[in-house]
Amino acid sequence: GQNIDQPTEMTATEGAIVQINCTYQTSGFNGLFWYQQHAGEAPTFLSYNVLDGLEEKGRFSSFLSRSKGYSYLLLKELQMKDSASYLCASPRRAIGTAGNKLTFGGGTRVLVKP
Amino acid sequence: NAGVMQNPRHLVRRRGQEARLRCSPMKGHSHVYWYRQLPEEGLKFMVYLQKENIIDESGMPKERFSAEFPKEGPSILRIQQVVRGDSAAYFCASSQVGQGLNTEAFFGQGTRLTVV
Repeated sequence: GQNIDQPTEMTATEGAIVQINCTYQTSGFNGLFWYQQHAGEAPTFLSYNVLDGLEEKGRFSSFLSRSKGYSYLLLKELQMKDSASYLCASPRRAIGTAGNKLTFGGGTRVLVKP
Repeated sequence: NAGVMQNPRHLVRRRGQEARLRCSPMKGHSHVYWYRQLPEEGLKFMVYLQKENIIDESGMPKERFSAEFPKEGPSILRIQQVVRGDSAAYFCASSQVGQGLNTEAFFGQGTRLTVV
């Protein structure tokens, strides 16, 4: 089975840095996705990690440690528009095909305050 | 290039009625996935379809729920005899074929179903 845990909520100040942790237990590891979801909107892709280490994309970076079953999403120079839920997700091969299905954590709601 | 289109955005049904949710994937995408997001919870996989085929329905409740993706037209998620517990946001995602497990899925805006 798959189990993904992340904190429910975090609050940070505009301009600061916030780190959102995600721990996972999966039967077979196929990488980890991070998605951003604003209230009432579609989840949008942020990053995908399959190898250990840090991947940087502008103000957002994602880190993976496969031996520890751990990932984090780092948001730097926070802006008000970064207030959203951040979803950690693990892909798993769908039965019988090349497609994959995602198992999501509960999401971390980040509130950025002025 | 239009994204994944879902309609309606909001749907209100009385208990016992049927709900039909539609999803048109991104152009060039032949894989469609449906996810359900209950209030204050994460997204849960329901079903994965390709044109005219249900590939994986391991997350779909056995009763009252069905899905199809016909040769022509959008994918449909159908919920018969809705109950209050069906109230949720239903998201559709699409991806390209055969791109592997690192293929990102593109999500629609979701349909928010409220059962009264």
